[in-house]
Amino acid sequence: DTGVSQDPRHKITKRGQNVTFRCDPISEHNRLYWYRQTLGQGPEFLTYFQNEAQLEKSRLLSDRFSAERPKGSFSTLEIQRTEQGDSAMYLCASSLTGGLDQPQHFGDGTRLSIL
Amino acid sequence: AQSVAQPEDQVNVAEGNPLTVKCTYSVSGNPYLFWYVQYPNRGLQFLLKYITGDNLVKGSYGFEAEFNKSQTSFHLKKPSALVSDSALYFCAVSWRGGYQKVTFGTGTKLQVIP
Repeated sequence: DTGVSQDPRHKITKRGQNVTFRCDPISEHNRLYWYRQTLGQGPEFLTYFQNEAQLEKSRLLSDRFSAERPKGSFSTLEIQRTEQGDSAMYLCASSLTGGLDQPQHFGDGTRLSIL
Repeated sequence: AQSVAQPEDQVNVAEGNPLTVKCTYSVSGNPYLFWYVQYPNRGLQFLLKYITGDNLVKGSYGFEAEFNKSQTSFHLKKPSALVSDSALYFCAVSWRGGYQKVTFGTGTKLQVIP
């Protein structure tokens, strides 16, 4: 168990640029989640995958956000035309299939700063 | 809908004293409840969960939590706090048949004073 890995750990970019983050889940985990966390708040659900299928997206996820998990392994989260309000920590988590009773294993996140 | 509340932004406790971090929840069915801990610039780490059965759940690092259905609470406890327990603690809830997601509280900062 090598844990959930996220890359990069930090990303600084100018407003209007596109950014892409990568998440490598624990290898035997079928479910993969993306969250956004701002200072003083808990993780806010963005989207989740069961294998390669994206099964739910938060209504908070604007059209500028897109996520993929092409082969059911790693996932990418892309933000297009970044805005100041996108500055946050983006967390990835994975879990075993079996339902929402399974604990999630989190990566250390990607901290995005918009200049 | 599902929600979780952590009424205390911060809890201060002296080292060696018992600690309690409070959590209440609201779901439409039987809840799945979790506690996670987060250290600075790190992701969340799973501590314990309640799914069904015994109301007292034991987890990692000597933590335990008590499920109280009538009060819709799931408070985190530890008999003797350590300075190294100082961190941010999150309660989370989901439920079978609900939306396919887990809802997290806003977190409680635990400060253990030497």
